[in-house]
Amino acid sequence: GAVVSQHPSWVICKSGTSVKIECRSLDFQATTMFWYRQFPKQSLMLMATSNEGSKATYEQGVEKDKFLINHASLTLSTLTVTSAHPEDSSFYICSAREVRGADTQYFGPGTRLTVL
Amino acid sequence: AQSVTQLGSHVSVSEGALVLLRCNYSSSVPPYLFWYVQYPNQGLQLLLKYTTGATLVKGINGFEAEFKKSETSFHLTKPSAHMSDAAEYFCAVRGSNYQLTFGQGTLLPVNP
Repeated sequence: GAVVSQHPSWVICKSGTSVKIECRSLDFQATTMFWYRQFPKQSLMLMATSNEGSKATYEQGVEKDKFLINHASLTLSTLTVTSAHPEDSSFYICSAREVRGADTQYFGPGTRLTVL
Repeated sequence: AQSVTQLGSHVSVSEGALVLLRCNYSSSVPPYLFWYVQYPNQGLQLLLKYTTGATLVKGINGFEAEFKKSETSFHLTKPSAHMSDAAEYFCAVRGSNYQLTFGQGTLLPVNP
């Protein structure tokens, strides 16, 4: 089946620094990728929809200047958490939409961000 | 707009017993419904999905779910639980822009 990777799998950073998370579709092209955030023992909340070659669409309440999304190619989307603070600590999960065939979303393994 | 409600944040079963995880949804368009499983510190794995056609959907690992439009439900079942089924399960509905709205999740511990 289709595989989505995320890098890094975990990161610890100091408050005020920026962190970039990569999401790659390894064996298919994804015109659309999604970024989710999951707090401990909670569900996934959609942060933004990333379309290749265009600006991301952010959900209400998500600061676009805080969470920068770039979808420069059909296999790569990046999420940059700028000026991270402890409240940004969370599990970030991306998914990629495979349009052909069954039109299914495949999820990455997630990135655990801890901001000290 | 879409929403998903999973009844029971924590459902405990014994090994070999029936698994039943409940999911109700609301959707302004004909729903596409999904069940995902998440193991600790991992991403989500698709168990099964309903798009159109047959309302009883079979998935991986012996799971199945039945779409009942009249009840706006999409409950997940498995006849006999295995220890390896211990995980968290999420029901989701797809929106018009292909984004997924998830339920709050149901944790399924399996007792030996």
